Amino acid sequence: GENVEQHPSTLSVQEGDSAVIKCTYSDSASNYFPWYKQELGKRPQLIIDIRSNVGEKKDQRIAVTLNKTAKHFSLHITETQPEDSAVYFCAASLNTDKLIFGTGTRLQVFP
Amino acid sequence: DTAVSQTPKYLVTQMGNDKSIKCEQNLGHDTMYWYKQDSKKFLKIMFSYNNKELIINETVPNRFSPKSPDKAHLNLHINSLELGDSAVYFCASSPKGDYGYTFGSGTRLTVV
Repeated sequence: GENVEQHPSTLSVQEGDSAVIKCTYSDSASNYFPWYKQELGKRPQLIIDIRSNVGEKKDQRIAVTLNKTAKHFSLHITETQPEDSAVYFCAASLNTDKLIFGTGTRLQVFP
Repeated sequence: DTAVSQTPKYLVTQMGNDKSIKCEQNLGHDTMYWYKQDSKKFLKIMFSYNNKELIINETVPNRFSPKSPDKAHLNLHINSLELGDSAVYFCASSPKGDYGYTFGSGTRLTVV
């Protein structure tokens, strides 16, 4: 079955800097890769996703890149703000059969 | 209007008890899920239902029994609760032909 690894487990950045979180997946058939943000005590919320027929997608300060050959995908957050502080999860699935999540990255943005 | 609602939000109970968690979605989605988030924040799928039919059961102990009376509801009943069942349980739903999951607000289960 699918296995998703996520790094780093914690990430601290200064406000205004960029943050990058990386994931690798094992099942080359996976074709959907979402990213979720979970604030303390809250539900995970979808912030961006990418499908396997696309290499990059951007939405304002966040972007996701996908390298199908290497089975890597990454989340990039530019101009970080304190409200970006949260736990971020990557996930992978085949046709949304089930989402397999990475282990999460705790991002702290210091003012 | 809450899209995916779970009750209760908190549940504290003793070992050996039986408890239920309820989930309802008003999004018209076809598929509903239960995920367990442990103390290390790891999110793991437990069950998936598509239009009331069980399609995924991820090697969950049979003390856990999901029930879907209709496609808008997915409940989780847990028998003989154990300390290791303590976690946050999230319900989620997704529409057919689309990929985004919408999560409920979670139920924090504490077994003492």
